[in-house]
Parts: sequence; C-alpha cells; structure tokens
Amino acid sequence: GQSLEQPSEVTAVEGAIVQINCTYQTSGFYGLSWYQQHDGGAPTFLSYNALDGLEETGRFSSFLSRSDSYGYLLLQELQMKDSASYFCAVRDKGYQKVTFGTGTKLQVIP
Amino acid sequence: KAGVTQTPRYLIKTRGQQVTLSCSPISGHRSVSWYQQTPGQGLQFLFEYFSETQRNKGNFPGRFSGRQFSNSRSEMNVSTLELGDSALYLCASSLTSGAYSGANVLTFGAGSRLTVL
Repeated sequence: GQSLEQPSEVTAVEGAIVQINCTYQTSGFYGLSWYQQHDGGAPTFLSYNALDGLEETGRFSSFLSRSDSYGYLLLQELQMKDSASYFCAVRDKGYQKVTFGTGTKLQVIP
Repeated sequence: KAGVTQTPRYLIKTRGQQVTLSCSPISGHRSVSWYQQTPGQGLQFLFEYFSETQRNKGNFPGRFSGRQFSNSRSEMNVSTLELGDSALYLCASSLTSGAYSGANVLTFGAGSRLTVL
C-alpha cells in the first residue's frame, strides 16, 4: 500500500519562502501531485511531477526524487491567501488507487 | 466551462438510514472518483469509475457503493448509516484514468457534507 507523510502544521511570514515536504513509502506510482484546500473549500490542483526534478508554476514549485522517496512543494513570495492545507497525492501503478498525504496546514502571518 | 457539481451540499440523516450523493463531472471527463474527508482520517479514497466501470475501491465496508452512468455522472450510496460516516464527501473528475498525466489532475467538486445523528 501507499503511505505519504507530511508535517501537520507550518507557519511562515508573508513574503517569505516555505517548503512543505512529502515523504512516502510506496511500491510504485505514476507521479506526485499537490493540492491546495482552503478551509471550507474543495481541494484544487496545484502541480504534478511525473518525472524526478523540479516543476515550476508561478510562485509554486514542486520537486520529486524517487530515489529518496521524497517530494516537496515550494511556495515563494508568500501571501496571506496562501494560508490553507496542502496535500500530496499519488496514484499507484497496481490498483490505480489515489492516496493522499496526511496534509499540511500552512499559516501565513504578517 | 462548468466545474464538478455535487448535490446535495448539506444533508442530515439518522443512524440506519441510507443516503445517495450525486456528482456531475466536467464535460469530457470520463473518470470520477470519490473521497471521504474527516478531521481525523484526512482524505480517504472510496472508489473510482471510468466508462461506467468501477476501476478500484478503497478500504471501506460494502455499505459504501457507487455507480457511473453513460453520461459520466456518478452516484455514491451509503446504506445503514453510522455516526462515523459523518464527513465531507468529495467527488473529483479527471480526463482519464491510469498512467496518463490527465489521470493525475483531479478537479474536485465542493463536496456533500453529511451529518449522521
């Protein structure tokens, strides 16, 4: 099965950079996705890493290293609206199930 | 382009009752998956449907079931409700399923919040 661990909470200052880690134990997956969820809202897709390396989308970047069983989401120039929960997710190659990480609640402070 | 639509948004049921939730995916999306979200367990995968066939199923009891229609709309049903079924039920659609990158970009609906008393 799949297991994706994330820090439960992270606090960062507006304008700063924050990295949210996702470490996993899995037998095989297609790629690593990241989702953002504001309180009371639905998760929204942020990025997908099919291959190892860095993917950049505006202020957000995501990284995957299969050899290290590790990925991260990097948020730059933090804004108050970035306060939300962030989830990593994988779809395994076997049963094709999607597993979400434990989630990280990011609080951006002035 | 309309998003993923879930109905109803809120509902209250009592133990032992059953509930049916509906999900209309984005036009052209053929895969629909369902998730249960609770504060204690996070986002848990329920099942996925593609072309009216269940592709896979999470670790939930048989009281949880679903189906997909020819227009890709999906329903999930929970029978004999228990207090622990109180949760936000999220539906997500994607272009396809499997290995393709389009299968890994999920668009979620706003969810159906179920309270079981």
